[in-house]
Amino acid sequence: GAVVSQHPSWVICKSGTSVKIECRSLDFQATTMFWYRQFPKQSLMLMATSNEGSKATYEQGVEKDKFLINHASLTLSTLTVTSAHPEDSSFYICSARGSSETEAFFGQGTRLTVV
Amino acid sequence: GQNIDQPTEMTATEGAIVQINCTYQTSGFNGLFWYQQHAGEAPTFLSYNVLDGLEEKGRFSSFLSRSKGYSYLLLKELQMKDSASYLCAVRDSNYQLIWGAGTKLIIKP
Repeated sequence: GAVVSQHPSWVICKSGTSVKIECRSLDFQATTMFWYRQFPKQSLMLMATSNEGSKATYEQGVEKDKFLINHASLTLSTLTVTSAHPEDSSFYICSARGSSETEAFFGQGTRLTVV
Repeated sequence: GQNIDQPTEMTATEGAIVQINCTYQTSGFNGLFWYQQHAGEAPTFLSYNVLDGLEEKGRFSSFLSRSKGYSYLLLKELQMKDSASYLCAVRDSNYQLIWGAGTKLIIKP
């Protein structure tokens, strides 16, 4: 299967700071990228969907000004958690899908802890 | 509303067979996926069904009945490393993935 690289794998930050998470498709062009959040023992919750070159579509209840998504190229999308708070601590996972792909491929996930 | 149901937890014995069921009610249907997720890791793709019937891939098989809104994942010759959560996801008419809460599978020696 195709490879999606997500970085960093884990990050600890102070309340009020911003954290950027990168998601790269290494061997295919990702026309669509998805960002998920997963709290312990819960399923994946879709935060937003982004298509290359256009603004991300956010799910209801997700603050677009807090979770900034940039999908500037066909191989890179970034999620920036701005002014992070402890309640933002979670496992963030990206997935990417090419135009001809049936499935989306997941990055390794980023464990964010806000202290 | 859209809904995916799967059991919360199942226990099975090493070497045995286990079947994890998934029922769904979604706005349209464009395929059903099964993913495996080990604790602290991202999900990994196991199978994809879009037509009725059984898809076999090694020790894992997945079945779909669209008329019943039902799928199952069958795991044979269970190994300890199969202990994980198994997520059922359905792609709806908008090509959005609707996720089940996952089934935690515990394998005992």
